[in-house]
Amino acid sequence: QQQVKQSPQSLIVQKGGISIINCAYENTAFDYFPWYQQFPGKGPALLIAIRPDVSEKKEGRFTISFNKSAKQFSLHIMDSQPGDSATYFCAASYSGTYKYIFGTGTRLKVLA
Amino acid sequence: KAGVTQTPRYLIKTRGQQVTLSCSPISGHRSVSWYQQTPGQGLQFLFEYFSETQRNKGNFPGRFSGRQFSNSRSEMNVSTLELGDSALYLCASSLMGEGETQYFGPGTRLLVL
Repeated sequence: QQQVKQSPQSLIVQKGGISIINCAYENTAFDYFPWYQQFPGKGPALLIAIRPDVSEKKEGRFTISFNKSAKQFSLHIMDSQPGDSATYFCAASYSGTYKYIFGTGTRLKVLA
Repeated sequence: KAGVTQTPRYLIKTRGQQVTLSCSPISGHRSVSWYQQTPGQGLQFLFEYFSETQRNKGNFPGRFSGRQFSNSRSEMNVSTLELGDSALYLCASSLMGEGETQYFGPGTRLLVL
């Protein structure tokens, strides 16, 4: 119940294309869903986050879509660029736990 | 504002030794969390501290311990190191630690030989 399942494990996209990464969860108590981007040798950096009271949140080229009934959320990267090549992690948390449960990560490669 | 800093950045130890890692959170942040990142297990929660108190602990053996000081800086200690402890250890800080953004440091890469 504490798991967050992330797919795909790896993704290759052409420059200018749309990258889509999906996550699913079981625990309906989760109430905060952030996405992190990690480059080699660096710590994860927050990209965008959403709470279950909204179905979509957009920041620049990054959009989170949230489906509460399906217990799924996804990250869309529009106009993907080679600089977006990194590993992306979804996460979830809920009040009282003081921790994130992370997905297994998606390694994105954007071809020039 | 300066980000989360972790020292040292790299460590090489041998089995059976112990190690202490340090984390300085973003100024004003009172919650510090620790995570272990490995290729096989991904990012796994170790523990979280707030105002010098551990509020939550992950599923790691007692060899893994931590503490937080009154200035919110935190340390984690691993005793009797095993080969499987080789990992990137990440520290994250946030204001209060609940349902909010955690800001990660660059991590300490530990190699156990």
